[in-house]
Amino acid sequence: QQQVKQSPQSLIVQKGGISIINCAYENTAFDYFPWYQQFPGKGPALLIAIRPDVSEKKEGRFTISFNKSAKQFSLHIMDSQPGDSATYFCAALAGSNYQLIWGAGTKLIIKP
Amino acid sequence: IAGITQAPTSQILAAGRRMTLRCTQDMRHNAMYWYRQDLGLGLRLIHYSNTAGTTGKGEVPDGYSVSRANTDDFPLTLASAVPSQTSVYFCASSDMTGELFFGEGSRLTVL
Repeated sequence: QQQVKQSPQSLIVQKGGISIINCAYENTAFDYFPWYQQFPGKGPALLIAIRPDVSEKKEGRFTISFNKSAKQFSLHIMDSQPGDSATYFCAALAGSNYQLIWGAGTKLIIKP
Repeated sequence: IAGITQAPTSQILAAGRRMTLRCTQDMRHNAMYWYRQDLGLGLRLIHYSNTAGTTGKGEVPDGYSVSRANTDDFPLTLASAVPSQTSVYFCASSDMTGELFFGEGSRLTVL
């Protein structure tokens, strides 16, 4: 019940296309859903996050869509650029417990 | 702005040796974490500390120990390294919003 399942494991998208990464969870106590971006040789960094009181959050080309009833959330990258090539992790957090539950990661490659 | 500083950046170690990975933060965050990252397995929590003086076990604590004598430092010790501990180790801290701030990692190879 603590798992966060992320798919796909890897993704290749043409420049200018839409990249979509999906995550699903079981624990209904989760109330914070961040996405982290990791470039090779670097630590992950927070990209965008959402709480379950909204169904969508947009920051520039990055959008999180959240479906509370389906217990799913996804990251959409519009107009994908080669500089977006990275590994993306979804995660979930329950209340005051600061221990994130992580998805396994998606390696995204944007082809020029 | 340093954030999280990890040392060493990489190390090759003989099996059976003791190794301490250092982690220092300058953000005065209460919570700190150690993760290991292995291909295809994502990030796995080794140990954490919610505040100075307290520590807790994560998902994969066996073979590792930590201490938190003060707010800034959170070293991770491998008492007797084994090849399965070959990995990239990330230290992180978090603020009250839950956002994690990561160091750049320590790549450890145990032969």
